[in-house]
Amino acid sequence: IAGITQAPTSQILAAGRRMTLRCTQDMRHNAMYWYRQDLGLGLRLIHYSNTAGTTGKGEVPDGYSVSRANTDDFPLTLASAVPSQTSVYFCASSPGLAGVNEQFFGPGTRLTVL
Amino acid sequence: GQNIDQPTEMTATEGAIVQINCTYQTSGFNGLFWYQQHAGEAPTFLSYNVLDGLEEKGRFSSFLSRSKGYSYLLLKELQMKDSASYLCAVSYAGNNRKLIWGLGTSLAVNP
Repeated sequence: IAGITQAPTSQILAAGRRMTLRCTQDMRHNAMYWYRQDLGLGLRLIHYSNTAGTTGKGEVPDGYSVSRANTDDFPLTLASAVPSQTSVYFCASSPGLAGVNEQFFGPGTRLTVL
Repeated sequence: GQNIDQPTEMTATEGAIVQINCTYQTSGFNGLFWYQQHAGEAPTFLSYNVLDGLEEKGRFSSFLSRSKGYSYLLLKELQMKDSASYLCAVSYAGNNRKLIWGLGTSLAVNP
């Protein structure tokens, strides 16, 4: 693989179910991010990780959790899905070097919670 | 707050030039990005400005005025494939691994 991948591409989920969205990058980037994108609200940061072993809360973290056990993987878990979590989810990464770094985005996961 | 403001929608004609503006709060400014997002796809990087002036990259150019808290993306010789949303994002000091995103400008290029 080259770049950043996400799985699944799309998912329909019953409310109350647990779901993990997967994100993997092979660019050895230090920083990774999870966003959700909703019409009229733009990209909103859910959680981020500046380096393996550390995570932080973004703008809309409630109902979501993340882990960063290694450099490549950054899964996002919805412990008990609710319809308001219906959205397109993008994972992104950046080199995380000194200074400001461009973010590279995965293709996205379209999630529908019924 | 650190609001990023850009127009919601713009329309232009194939072959023309269009300018998409973005304003932001200047305190702690560290750099500004422009991204392109086609419908149903992920955002892709277009340009990065940290110093005042114009950065040219083929048909696309981006301008920054740090004192005015203002940037624009200039698209020349518009093509139908330029129909997309254009996102302005700003990095602030002390937070340089996170970006503050505008809501995007949806550009429709008509024949």
